[in-house]
Amino acid sequence: DGGITQSPKYLFRKEGQNVTLSCEQNLNHDAMYWYRQDPGQGLRLIYYSQIVNDFQKGDIAEGYSVSREKKESFPLTVTSAQKNPTAFYLCASTPRGTSDSRDTQYFGPGTRLTVL
Amino acid sequence: QKEVEQDPGPLSVPEGAIVSLNCTYSNSALQYFMWYRQYSRKGPELLMYTYSSGNKEDGRFTAQVDKSSKYISLFIRDSQPSDSATYLCAMKGAYSGAGSYQLTFGKGTKLSVIP
Repeated sequence: DGGITQSPKYLFRKEGQNVTLSCEQNLNHDAMYWYRQDPGQGLRLIYYSQIVNDFQKGDIAEGYSVSREKKESFPLTVTSAQKNPTAFYLCASTPRGTSDSRDTQYFGPGTRLTVL
Repeated sequence: QKEVEQDPGPLSVPEGAIVSLNCTYSNSALQYFMWYRQYSRKGPELLMYTYSSGNKEDGRFTAQVDKSSKYISLFIRDSQPSDSATYLCAMKGAYSGAGSYQLTFGKGTKLSVIP
């Protein structure tokens, strides 16, 4: 089955720890995205990547880092510098990064991160 | 003014009712419009995608776009308890280059369909 997988589904972190959220897709999509979702605030873009070995900051990148070493993988690290990391994190992908403005985004199932 | 406005609800309707969900937007450069359905603790799933003014129908769902008024709607006919979810509108511009792939989301409307 083609799709986007995120792991783990639930993640607990102690304050001061870095954690890495996994996002993998087997859709052969070029572009990948990370969003954060908080109650009443909608989806906010953290980072995006149009192509392997390239990524750009979104609206709320502070305290997060990413890498894109493989087309199918776009892990997100939540660092200790992120002051309020408890949220629902969503990964998404788009078939072609910028070559077709009709492309839309397809989402993974999400990871709920809780800081204890 | 926020770029996309969406009433967060919650909206509660009886089973079988017609549901109307709406978003307004301010940026006339936004040309492609999507509706996502998100069940609790799940990722959003694409429900409808339109890029022209008018109506698009898919089963019980109809997406309507009025670019002159900068207003989009999603209608659900014969609503079912399984339609209970949060509905997110999203939109993007038609321009190419940096940023053209970025979506602007509404905050979502939470819908409950009561049996």
